[in-house]
Amino acid sequence: QVQLVESGGGVVQPGGSLRLSCAASGFSFSRHVMHWVRQAPGKGLEWVALISFDGTSKHYADAVKGRFTISRDNSKNTLHLQMNSLRGDDMAVYYCAGGQLLPTSQFDHWGQGTLVTVSS
Amino acid sequence: EVVMTQSPATLSVSPGERATLSCRASQSVNRNLAWYQQKPGQAPRLLLYGASIRATGVPDRFSASGSGTEFTLTISSLQSEDFAVYYCQQYNNWPPYTFGQGTKLEI
Repeated sequence: QVQLVESGGGVVQPGGSLRLSCAASGFSFSRHVMHWVRQAPGKGLEWVALISFDGTSKHYADAVKGRFTISRDNSKNTLHLQMNSLRGDDMAVYYCAGGQLLPTSQFDHWGQGTLVTVSS
Repeated sequence: EVVMTQSPATLSVSPGERATLSCRASQSVNRNLAWYQQKPGQAPRLLLYGASIRATGVPDRFSASGSGTEFTLTISSLQSEDFAVYYCQQYNNWPPYTFGQGTKLEI
């Protein structure tokens, strides 16, 4: 069955960096748009970034533009999120989510999430 | 940016009752609207997409309707496992993809 497993979360100081990963299995990873979505403690869902199936197109939420970079390695079925210049309002559970081939689609599958804590 | 507004914020119902949740978009999203269920400590789960299409494995007590700017999720006979937070999401006008603030379904 479809599995998305995030890793790389942890505690980081303000201004620091962290790299999240998402290992995918059970579906044709290279044929799906992938997303990162975050959820601050006790809050709702916030879309963070999208990468096209082939990695050629990337889009970001304004809140993270210029600080976060989404990437993928289709040979390893892995999605990444490089997070730099982290701030307190970046603290959240980060989920990877898989869409369809085209970006105008729902988020079919979600990982269990990895917690990023930004604290001095 | 399309703003998604869900109502009510909290809905108190009893098992066996019917629940109706609403979602409004600030501009038309056609039928590019999904509903997700999230239980405490768990990831969101896709329930419906295309405004009314149930995802694989979703019980038929979940139904949804709407197009344009007004959408509704109905749970016909609430089971104990249905008490959760429900989010609507538009994927028509992106970026960004936007979610509603959620409706908490409680006993």
